Amino acid sequence: AQKITQTQPGMFVQEKEAVTLDCTYDTSDPSYGLFWYKQPSSGEMIFLIYQGSYDQQNATEGRYSLNFQKARKSANLVISASQLGDSAMYFCAMREGMGSGANNLFFGTGTRLTVIP
Amino acid sequence: DSGVTQTPKHLITATGQRVTLRCSPRSGDLSVYWYQQSLDQGLQFLIHYYNGEERAKGNILERFSAQQFPDLHSELNLSSLELGDSALYFCASSFQQGSVEAFFGQGTRLTVV
Repeated sequence: AQKITQTQPGMFVQEKEAVTLDCTYDTSDPSYGLFWYKQPSSGEMIFLIYQGSYDQQNATEGRYSLNFQKARKSANLVISASQLGDSAMYFCAMREGMGSGANNLFFGTGTRLTVIP
Repeated sequence: DSGVTQTPKHLITATGQRVTLRCSPRSGDLSVYWYQQSLDQGLQFLIHYYNGEERAKGNILERFSAQQFPDLHSELNLSSLELGDSALYFCASSFQQGSVEAFFGQGTRLTVV
């Protein structure tokens, strides 16, 4: 089974509007972390936001917030007040067993976001 | 700038050849992760080193190997290259094994012709 599922291959949003990018995950480990990364056309991977499985509050970083619904195993990224520079691929990722041993990220297939002027 | 340096940025080579990709982690980071991003496989974890020791292997082919040196830089060696090895290879680093975020380098784009 896929550990990370992103069901939206592409999304469009009007500049200055908010947009939600969906992510669901699958794990039996009670300790895990969820990450969102942005990959612009230049190719680099830019870390945006992190949510730990035991965190009580939803994570926020500037215009980015993570809508964490543990029972539904979803970790949607919300970008508020979209800007043209937000146009990029967005990847959801998960790390199991946070803080213990060797940890690597499992990535989803990504969502390409296009911000329309 | 993430502080993780990968060289070279681009590499074009022929099938059957061998190449070495290099990664310098952020200052002080002990963990180095290698990932492959290809059109058909997406982003996949290859291998993780912590302070010179291999800690985890993902979907890494036997033709591929890696090491982390005492100065903590890492090299990914790809041999007997095939067309399907064409991909963007990322290195990421973090201070501890379970750190919250991993900083990614700019990647090395490998094209096998």
